[in-house]
Amino acid sequence: DGGITQSPKYLFRKEGQNVTLSCEQNLNHDAMYWYRQDPGQGLRLIYYSQIVNDFQKGDIAEGYSVSREKKESFPLTVTSAQKNPTAFYLCASTTDPSKREKLFFGSGTQLSVL
Amino acid sequence: GESVGLHLPTLSVQEGDNSIINCAYSNSASDYFIWYKQESGKGPQFIIDIRSNMDKRQGQRVTVLLNKTVKHLSLQIAATQPGDSAVYFCAENIPPRVTGGGNKLTFGTGTQLKVEL
Repeated sequence: DGGITQSPKYLFRKEGQNVTLSCEQNLNHDAMYWYRQDPGQGLRLIYYSQIVNDFQKGDIAEGYSVSREKKESFPLTVTSAQKNPTAFYLCASTTDPSKREKLFFGSGTQLSVL
Repeated sequence: GESVGLHLPTLSVQEGDNSIINCAYSNSASDYFIWYKQESGKGPQFIIDIRSNMDKRQGQRVTVLLNKTVKHLSLQIAATQPGDSAVYFCAENIPPRVTGGGNKLTFGTGTQLKVEL
């Protein structure tokens, strides 16, 4: 089945630690996105990538980093510089970001601080 | 309707009744709108979308209405079922001529729909 796979489902971070969230899609989508979801708030864009080896900062990129070495994969690293990392992280993809197309979402990763 | 804050607005309906969930969007230039359903601990699922040149679109058991005059979007669910219980949120697309870059999707905070048996 085609889709977006995020792992792990739950992740715990210690003080000063970097952690990486995985996102893989087999939909052959060019564009991929990372969003952060906090209780009672709308999704906020962290980073996005429209093509391999290229990515752009979203609205809340500070304390995060990404890479896009393969079309299928768009991992997100939450660095120690992100002081409030506890949130639900969602990866999404779409065929052509220049068109008005719906985003497909993964099932999310809940990140908590130990 | 949706609002910013820690507590989501909640809509409680009886099984079999119709549900209407509202969304006030922010930008009069937005040209595309999407409704998503999100169950607890899961990613959002696409329900239905509508472009700004339309005022109504119907799907299976769902209808989206768009009122551009007052920047209002609604989602109607017919014959609501227990499986419809979830958070529903809307998203608006702000086009490049406004963002100065590419298309930008902005998401609402959501409404919790509870279906009572």
